[in-house]
Amino acid sequence: DAGVIQSPRHEVTEMGQEVTLRCKPISGHDYLFWYRQTMMRGLELLIYFNNNVPIDDSGMPEDRFSAKMPNASFSTLKIQPSEPRDSAVYFCASSLALAGVRELFFGEGSRLTVL
Amino acid sequence: RKEVEQDPGPFNVPEGATVAFNCTYSNSASQSFFWYRQDCRKEPKLLMSVYSSGNEDGRFTAQLNRASQYISLLIRDSKLSDSATYLCVVKSQDYKLSFGAGTTVTVRA
Repeated sequence: DAGVIQSPRHEVTEMGQEVTLRCKPISGHDYLFWYRQTMMRGLELLIYFNNNVPIDDSGMPEDRFSAKMPNASFSTLKIQPSEPRDSAVYFCASSLALAGVRELFFGEGSRLTVL
Repeated sequence: RKEVEQDPGPFNVPEGATVAFNCTYSNSASQSFFWYRQDCRKEPKLLMSVYSSGNEDGRFTAQLNRASQYISLLIRDSKLSDSATYLCVVKSQDYKLSFGAGTTVTVRA
């Protein structure tokens, strides 16, 4: 079975440009999470969805960040406009249930560099 | 204060050695605990859950001390392939997962 699929794997862009990161969760998983990882701050939860509905977006840094999940098999994280401090690895993860077995399956990440 | 704190290491140990490290958490109502492993430039993957009575998975032993609010991971007979960053993960009562910054372990030949 395919794991969580993220694209692009690497993105280099200039400050001010729009960045869109994409994620396809594991089929049948009803929770989807977006994390950001930096050396300074480690792994931070940005937002998570349950059955395509955003549940907690308190980790989204500011209005420049937005996330959508139009259907069960696709989610996007958008940054507009991007800034150098947004440079990080962005991970998408999915899981079957939050209260039961809680293993998160992560994608390989999208490494973003904003110049 | 961070929700989950770990000694970043690195712990440099020879093959065959035992290495152990802890993680502390701030929320006494935390419900579940896990160790994830992250290899360099890869995604985190679940290593093991941590149960109240402690549990083993091969060479790995996890312990939970609720009174002192810490969990530990011990690796026996360490292998070169154990070199990685180990992330402590705590689930709160609202089901949010908080990750520690990780403890780096390097096993040398």
